[in-house]
Amino acid sequence: ETGVTQSPTHLIKTRGQQVTLRCSSQSGHNTVSWYQQALGQGPQFIFQYYREEENGRGNFPPRFSGLQFPNYSSELNVNALELDDSALYLCASSADLIADTQYFGPGTRLTVL
Amino acid sequence: KNEVEQSPQNLTAQEGEFITINCSYSVGISALHWLQQHPGGGIVSLFMLSSGKKKHGRLIATINIQEKHSSLHITASHPRDSAVYICAVMVRRSGGSNYKLTFGKGTLLTVNP
Repeated sequence: ETGVTQSPTHLIKTRGQQVTLRCSSQSGHNTVSWYQQALGQGPQFIFQYYREEENGRGNFPPRFSGLQFPNYSSELNVNALELDDSALYLCASSADLIADTQYFGPGTRLTVL
Repeated sequence: KNEVEQSPQNLTAQEGEFITINCSYSVGISALHWLQQHPGGGIVSLFMLSSGKKKHGRLIATINIQEKHSSLHITASHPRDSAVYICAVMVRRSGGSNYKLTFGKGTLLTVNP
């Protein structure tokens, strides 16, 4: 148990739709990062939020956006879904920005048809 | 070339064997993480290292910063150790306080009884 939860567990969408994935971090964890993991690959960094501000972004287009809330929850939004967006989406939280232990959620498996 | 390379990609062992998984990286890092991912997705942080060696139960992780190399060892392996083991490096992004994790592709370990 990492104390990080994600919802939903699984999700099926069609191309062009929009999706919101949710993550609830441990209380006191100011940093949350989102990752995309395609089948058979390591996770890829999407972006990071620190105290409700975006604090870094990987090579993902603007249709991937996020929010972090004061209650240590966060969202990943993906617009105009594409087939290649099918993946496991993981969030990870940590107490602070710098080189801290990452606590991962169980992930949301998104399938785009 | 990926910034983080793991070897081997797949490893099959008999129960009781000593196992080593290697990780090499090509960038300057502030810390290195070893993670365990079971089927279904959940990731657990095993170790965070910035120098030397750490031990937890049957798991030992070492890092050589000069050689940009880390190893994860499992002593007296057990079928429940079967999982994907992922090496991830914490890299400081250019400017500011942005850090991100860059992941290897993982090593699939299967321990047979």
